[in-house]
This record gives sequence, C-alpha cells and structure tokens, in this order.
Amino acid sequence: GENVEQHPSTLSVQEGDSAVIKCTYSDSASNYFPWYKQELGKRPQLIIDIRSNVGEKKDQRIAVTLNKTAKHFSLHITETQPEDSAVYFCAAVGLMNSGYSTLTFGKGTMLLVSP
Amino acid sequence: DGGITQSPKYLFRKEGQNVTLSCEQNLNHDAMYWYRQDPGQGLRLIYYSQIVNDFQKGDIAEGYSVSREKKESFPLTVTSAQKNPTAFYLCASSILAASSGNTIYFGEGSWLTVV
Repeated sequence: GENVEQHPSTLSVQEGDSAVIKCTYSDSASNYFPWYKQELGKRPQLIIDIRSNVGEKKDQRIAVTLNKTAKHFSLHITETQPEDSAVYFCAAVGLMNSGYSTLTFGKGTMLLVSP
Repeated sequence: DGGITQSPKYLFRKEGQNVTLSCEQNLNHDAMYWYRQDPGQGLRLIYYSQIVNDFQKGDIAEGYSVSREKKESFPLTVTSAQKNPTAFYLCASSILAASSGNTIYFGEGSWLTVV
C-alpha cells in the first residue's frame, strides 16, 4: 500500500516568515495529493490539493508543488500569520489490499507562528 | 463539512464494553470512512465503504466493526477486543472513491476515553 512520510513534525516561525512542509509518497500510481489543516480540537479541513497532471498550484498565500519523478510534494505558506498555527497533514491516494484506493495521510506537522 | 454529523462528541467507556459511534451525512456521498487520530500518529484508516452494503478494512481494523445499511449512515462499533481505544475518531465522506481525486470531508469527531 501507500506510505506517506511528512517532515518536519514541528515547525516554528516568526510572523511574516515563510513555512515549508514536505512529503514523500511511495506509490508511483498516486494521482491526487490534498493538504489538510487541523486546528486544536477541530476537524481537518482541506486547504489545497493538486493532481498529478500539474506541477504547482497556488491559492493566495498557500502553494503546493509536486515532483512526480521524485515522488514528493510540498506545501508553502508565505507571509505567515498567527492564525496559520495548526497541524497540517499531507495525503496521497494509495491502493489498499482490497483493490480499492483511498487516502493515506502523513503524520502531520505542527506549525507554530509567533507574533 | 457541515453535512457530516458525528455523535456523541464525548464518550466514556468502561473496559470490556462495546460502544457505537454514530456518523450521518446528508451530502449524498457514496463513500464513507472512519479514521482514528492519536497524538503524533496522524490519521489512520479503520474502515471504509464505497457503496451501501459493502465495506473494507483499513490499516487498523482489529477490534472495530462497521455497517453500511443506508447510504447516509456509517456507524462504528468499538468492541472490547480493541485494547487501546482511547482516541479521537473522525468520520469522513466523499462523493465517489478517493482514487478519483474526490475531496474527503470530515465530521467534527468523537472523543472516546476508556475509564
């Protein structure tokens, strides 16, 4: 099945700095890579996603890049703000033993933005 | 996201007891999922269902059971065979299978504590 590695596990930045979170995946057939943000005690919410037919996608201060050859993708947050503080999860589609595909998540990155 | 309702939000279980977590969605989604979240472990898939009356085991299905008798409902039973059930449980759904690149939406989660 799919294996997703996410780094770093924690990331501290000053307000206004950029933050980068990186993920690698194992299944070369994966074609969908979403990123979720989870605030403390709340549900994960999709913030951006990318499909394998593009290399980069941007939405205001958030961007995601994908390198299919190297099997890694990254989340970039520019001009960070204290409200960006949360746990961020990457995910990739993976084939389960059942023959169905579903999302496999990384272990998460706790981002702390200090004022 | 508001279309996925989990209950109860907080649940205490005595050792040896089975408990059932409810998940209902009104989004007309075909696929539903149960994830378990522990600190530092990310989101781990317990069970998933792509269609009514069909479901598959995820990565950590031991000690859990599910049913999918109706499209909108996917209850999770935590049995006494689950030796370490204290965790945050998240139900999710998507229009179609994740392999199609369909966004997975999460419910607000249920906190289960063994006392």
